[in-house]
Amino acid sequence: EPEVTQTPSHQVTQMGQEVILRCVPISNHLYFYWYRQILGQKVEFLVSFYNNEISEKSEIFDDQFSVERPDGSNFTLKIRSTKLEDSAMYFCASSLLSGALNNEQFFGPGTRLTVL
Amino acid sequence: AQKVTQAQTEISVVEKEDVTLDCVYETRDTTYYLFWYKQPPSGELVFLIRRNSFDEQNEISGRYSWNFQKSTSSFNFTITASQVVDSAVYFCALSERGFNKFYFGSGTKLNVKP
Repeated sequence: EPEVTQTPSHQVTQMGQEVILRCVPISNHLYFYWYRQILGQKVEFLVSFYNNEISEKSEIFDDQFSVERPDGSNFTLKIRSTKLEDSAMYFCASSLLSGALNNEQFFGPGTRLTVL
Repeated sequence: AQKVTQAQTEISVVEKEDVTLDCVYETRDTTYYLFWYKQPPSGELVFLIRRNSFDEQNEISGRYSWNFQKSTSSFNFTITASQVVDSAVYFCALSERGFNKFYFGSGTKLNVKP
């Protein structure tokens, strides 16, 4: 069964460093998403991406964040200069369609980011 | 305002007890989807069920059942004869028509003790 994969499973970085979290969405999906879950809290939407551009982003997704689909299979989230409060689990998700038709999102296993 | 409310922060039951996890949602859309996900200690999100707003039939899958009531904007989840392996955090989520993001509730941590 196709699945969303994410690498690495755990990333440790120093404050101020740049990190890139990688995701491989399901191959025929068109919509891609990043969510964040700070430890013990709920899952929060960061950004959605379609047709090589951001379609929606939350207030969390500030200028420190960027997303890219560099090669047609990977979908990346970059944090330019990490802060302690960026420590969280980051989930990638993809869906075939959007809106009312069939917007089931398939989630990856997550990348746990620890900023020291 | 919260779009998805899970008022129960944590529930503890003894194995074989039935337990119901509550979810109340808020939306102005007539077309929307509701979901339940399980998050075990390992951290991944495990999809349990999706329901669209036009289908109010209750669903049963093994020991799991879901009660969707539009009149009360609720989508409750019941585990019958709970087992220790059911221990996890359970999230309810909402997706509205025309939007491509999920609104998650704050989760209910279920502890099933032997």
